[in-house]
Amino acid sequence: KAGVTQTPRYLIKTRGQQVTLSCSPISGHRSVSWYQQTPGQGLQFLFEYFSETQRNKGNFPGRFSGRQFSNSRSEMNVSTLELGDSALYLCASSTGMNTEAFFGQGTRLTVV
Amino acid sequence: QKEVEQDPGPLSVPEGAIVSLNCTYSNSAFQYFMWYRQYSRKGPELLMYTYSSGNKEDGRFTAQVDKSSKYISLFIRDSQPSDSATYLCAMSDAGGTSYGKLTFGQGTILTVHP
Repeated sequence: KAGVTQTPRYLIKTRGQQVTLSCSPISGHRSVSWYQQTPGQGLQFLFEYFSETQRNKGNFPGRFSGRQFSNSRSEMNVSTLELGDSALYLCASSTGMNTEAFFGQGTRLTVV
Repeated sequence: QKEVEQDPGPLSVPEGAIVSLNCTYSNSAFQYFMWYRQYSRKGPELLMYTYSSGNKEDGRFTAQVDKSSKYISLFIRDSQPSDSATYLCAMSDAGGTSYGKLTFGQGTILTVHP
């Protein structure tokens, strides 16, 4: 069965711009979580959506937001980009019931 | 103090060696434990998932959980050069305010040389 699909794979943006990343979970999975991965901080939790509702949020500023659609696909938006937002953004898909989480290949965002 | 501590390595072993990777944690609410493997420029790949103390085996991989000591391990037998990657431990509690949130260790960089 198809895995977790993230698009685009690579992005280069300028400071101050905004960006939208997309994640399509495994068929039948209703939970999508987003993470930021950097060399210094490792993997940090951004937020989780389940059946179109945000159930949990990490310690990131309000510039980071997300949403989930009725087909479980999720988008993440970062507004007013800063250099420090350069990172690998990963989404994870699960059934949402304390089961395994499967990751996509990530979107590598570079802010210049 | 981080909730999950993992020795970042790097760890370098010869092909065929047994590798031991470890994580300790401080949050006693953690109930679910995972090990991921991440190759350079790729997303983490789930290797093992367990929720009880004891051992779980899958091929060359064995995951061990000791909830009383707040300590988990991953053993790789007969290591291969293709096992060279970063290994991440991750854990979560049973829901409530922590839905969908995995807390990760910093990752251990493993190199298996022929």
